[in-house]
Amino acid sequence: QVQLQQRGAGLLKPSETLSLTCGVFGTSFTDSFWAWVRQSPGKGLEWIGEIDHGRRPEYNPSFNNRVTISSQPSIKQVTLTLRSVTVADTAIYYCARAALFRSMDVWGKGTSVTVSS
Amino acid sequence: EIVLTQSPGTLSLFPGERATLSCRASQNVGFNSLSWYQQRPGRAPRLLIYKTSTRATGVPDRFTGSGSGTDFTLTISRLEPEDFAVYYCQQYGSSPQTFGQGTKVEIK
Repeated sequence: QVQLQQRGAGLLKPSETLSLTCGVFGTSFTDSFWAWVRQSPGKGLEWIGEIDHGRRPEYNPSFNNRVTISSQPSIKQVTLTLRSVTVADTAIYYCARAALFRSMDVWGKGTSVTVSS
Repeated sequence: EIVLTQSPGTLSLFPGERATLSCRASQNVGFNSLSWYQQRPGRAPRLLIYKTSTRATGVPDRFTGSGSGTDFTLTISRLEPEDFAVYYCQQYGSSPQTFGQGTKVEIK
């Protein structure tokens, strides 16, 4: 059974750095893309970016170069880093496997992140 | 970026009725790279349809995706109680990938 296990801090202050990890269990790591998506009440579902083993990650330009997605294949983990967070970054963050023509067929449970001073 | 507009915003139907959800793209979606997701309250989205019309593993055949170019449709032939949820379309044919704003299917 494929599972994605998300970890990371849920409460941040403005200007801090968000860091979330996604551990992959029960499936090959190198055969798929790994994506991050967030969901906030004001903007719905928003694709943050994705990474494929051996390729450069791809990001949504709306994040203005604040995002880094990296992978650690030896421990089957993907990391999301979002710098200089603001209140507008308050959302539920999901990692997902994008294996079916880049459709996201397996999702983590989500991490609720609140940015507040 | 491609903007996806879903309609209607809310669909009020009885169990057993047919639901027709629309997703319109601001530009052509390349290679019919369009998916549909279902999201129940407090849960992560669940993939229903990819490549416009292919059902994901375990998805009942009452869910059907169709369309091409800029106009896409998700049809639920007979609504079951567990189908009342929010549905999102997503295009992955061009970067950045984008989602529609969602259609809520609620019990009438």
